[in-house]
Amino acid sequence: DAGVTQSPTHLIKTRGQQVTLRCSPKSGHDTVSWYQQALGQGPQFIFQYYEEEERQRGNFPDRFSGHQFPNYSSELNVNALLLGDSALYLCASSLGLAGATQYFGPGTRLLVL
Amino acid sequence: SQKIEQNSEALNIQEGKTATLTCNYTNYSPAYLQWYRQDPGRGPVFLLLIRENEKEKRKERLKVTFDTTLKQSLFHITASQPADSATYLCAPTSNNLFFGTGTRLTVIP
Repeated sequence: DAGVTQSPTHLIKTRGQQVTLRCSPKSGHDTVSWYQQALGQGPQFIFQYYEEEERQRGNFPDRFSGHQFPNYSSELNVNALLLGDSALYLCASSLGLAGATQYFGPGTRLLVL
Repeated sequence: SQKIEQNSEALNIQEGKTATLTCNYTNYSPAYLQWYRQDPGRGPVFLLLIRENEKEKRKERLKVTFDTTLKQSLFHITASQPADSATYLCAPTSNNLFFGTGTRLTVIP
């Protein structure tokens, strides 16, 4: 039983570019949440997808958008990258909405130069 | 807005001792509280969940308490081992998870 997988593992972009990160949830899970974790900080909630719709959103600008596919996998898109977007981006899957226990992937380390 | 504070950024203890980590939250009433462990460069891993009507929860060497009056949770690791060295995150939970900044625990052999 595969856990949560994310790709790519590392990514380097320049300011102004766009990036797409991908996530496959744990088998049997239908909800995907995305978090941004800056160095030395706890994960910050970006948004959550369930039934292919964004259900909840944290305090992140519209440059951050996402998508969930029928097979429950998800993408996180960030447009017009800023230096401050450099962080570890974590995907977590769970069963159902609300604050269920999250199973995290290994993350994608994004560096914006 | 919600605020979550975890005691000191770093905690060093001697192997075999009990580590106690504190999580305080303000401005909301979580239905339950979760604790996660995070190793460097990896995603957090779920450890324990305690509900608002539970005072204490145990799992092997781990013990969690939850005081909704004080708005505080304590996380204990007894008989600590160097392998317990990691960052521990608390997440008071209502409709979603909001994480604290974590406490980096180092167990010294």
